[in-house]
Amino acid sequence: EPEVTQTPSHQVTQMGQEVILRCVPISNHLYFYWYRQILGQKVEFLVSFYNNEISEKSEIFDDQFSVERPDGSNFTLKIRSTKLEDSAMYFCASIEDRALYNTIYFGEGSWLTVV
Amino acid sequence: AQKITQTQPGMFVQEKEAVTLDCTYDTSDPSYGLFWYKQPSSGEMIFLIYQGSYDQQNATEGRYSLNFQKARKSANLVISASQLGDSAMYFCAMRESGAGSYQLTFGKGTKLSVIP
Repeated sequence: EPEVTQTPSHQVTQMGQEVILRCVPISNHLYFYWYRQILGQKVEFLVSFYNNEISEKSEIFDDQFSVERPDGSNFTLKIRSTKLEDSAMYFCASIEDRALYNTIYFGEGSWLTVV
Repeated sequence: AQKITQTQPGMFVQEKEAVTLDCTYDTSDPSYGLFWYKQPSSGEMIFLIYQGSYDQQNATEGRYSLNFQKARKSANLVISASQLGDSAMYFCAMRESGAGSYQLTFGKGTKLSVIP
C-alpha cells in the first residue's frame, strides 16, 4: 500500500522560531495538501498545491505560512516566526487526480509544539 | 453554517454490537463525495469508506457501511460487530466539486469507545 510519509513526527520549537515540516507524497499523485488539527478539534484545510503552485488556500494560511516542492519529491510547509497557537498536528495529504471518488491519502502527521 | 455536522461528541458500544455514527452535510453542489476517516489515539488518519453523490447503492467496506440518505443529506457510518480496536475518533468529511482543489471539509468528530 503506497503511503505519504512525514517528518518529523514530533517537533518542539520556541515561539518565534521558524519550522519546516516535510512530506513525501505518493509518487504518482498530482495534488498535495496540508491540513491542521489543533488538539481536540477538527481537521482544517490549510492549502492545496498543484503544478508547482498554490491552487487554493484557507484563511488560516496567512503570510506566516509557505509551501514549496523543492525537488520534485518533497513537499514542505514552512511556518515563519511560530506562535503558541500554531501548536497542532499538521497532516500532509495527496491525491492522484481530482476525481471526486479518489481517496485523499494522509500522512501520519507531524506534531508541532510551540513553547 | 457548518458544512459537516456530527452531533455525537462521544459514543459507547458493547463489543460485537453494531453502532451508527451520525453525519449530516450541507452543500448546494450536485456532485460531491462523502468520506469517513478513523483517527486512533496515535493520531494518523485512516480512510474507511467513500460515498459519491450519484452512487445508487450504499457503500460497504468490510464491517463498515454508509447509510446514505441523499434527500435528508445524511451519511451515517455503521460499524457492525464492533471490536476493541475500533475505539477511536471518527470523522465525516465532504469533498465538493465546486471546491477548486477538491479539498476535504471535516466535521468535529465522534469519539467511539468500545466496551469489552
